[in-house]
Amino acid sequence: SYELTQPHSVSVSPGQTASIPCSGDNLGHKEACWYQQKPGQSPVMVVYQNNKRPSGIPERFSGSNSGNTATLTISGTQAMDEADYYCQAWDSSTVVFGGGTRLTVL
Amino acid sequence: QVQLVESGGGLVKPGGSLRLSCAASGFTFSDYYMNWVRQAPGKGLEWLAYISRGSTTIHYADSVKGRFSVSRDNAKNTLYLQMNSLRVEDTAVYYCARVCDYCSSGESDYWGQGTLVTVS
Repeated sequence: SYELTQPHSVSVSPGQTASIPCSGDNLGHKEACWYQQKPGQSPVMVVYQNNKRPSGIPERFSGSNSGNTATLTISGTQAMDEADYYCQAWDSSTVVFGGGTRLTVL
Repeated sequence: QVQLVESGGGLVKPGGSLRLSCAASGFTFSDYYMNWVRQAPGKGLEWLAYISRGSTTIHYADSVKGRFSVSRDNAKNTLYLQMNSLRVEDTAVYYCARVCDYCSSGESDYWGQGTLVTVS
């Protein structure tokens, strides 16, 4: 079955740029999306179709996808961006999630 | 506004059954595909099932195939997940999620608050 791999954790200083990778076989040939989940809350989609932002998501969230890696980039990271982030793709009629990355802003 | 409200969770013994419901409002339910996703305590998201608008297309994760069954009643604006032969490892918060109509890879643009299922 298809697998998506994310680092367990990423740290970033406030105001800096955070990059969260998600790797999978030929992921660049698929569409990736990203969810943010804060403690005790439901996930929120922050990027879809590799690089599009849903309505209401700040411009500092962006995405890219090429080769075997999709990347979520948060520019000018704020304390409120501290959360778990999950990538997701579609393969063989199934939804596949990455294992999640805990973003720490310190 | 879009609302998804799950119910039906609770404590059940191994081998038991449970049916979850997801009541949808604020949008035309019959126009959207839907997902079920779960999250075990302290763990990541796990996709379970996907159902098309008219229930003609249904897909399951291997981990629940043959034990779980997804269905919907468009007249009642409600999505269901029938869970049989429950195992301790099925303990999780279960979410229903709407598949966005502008997406092509099963992405979910709205999620419910989740309902906790404990198998013990």
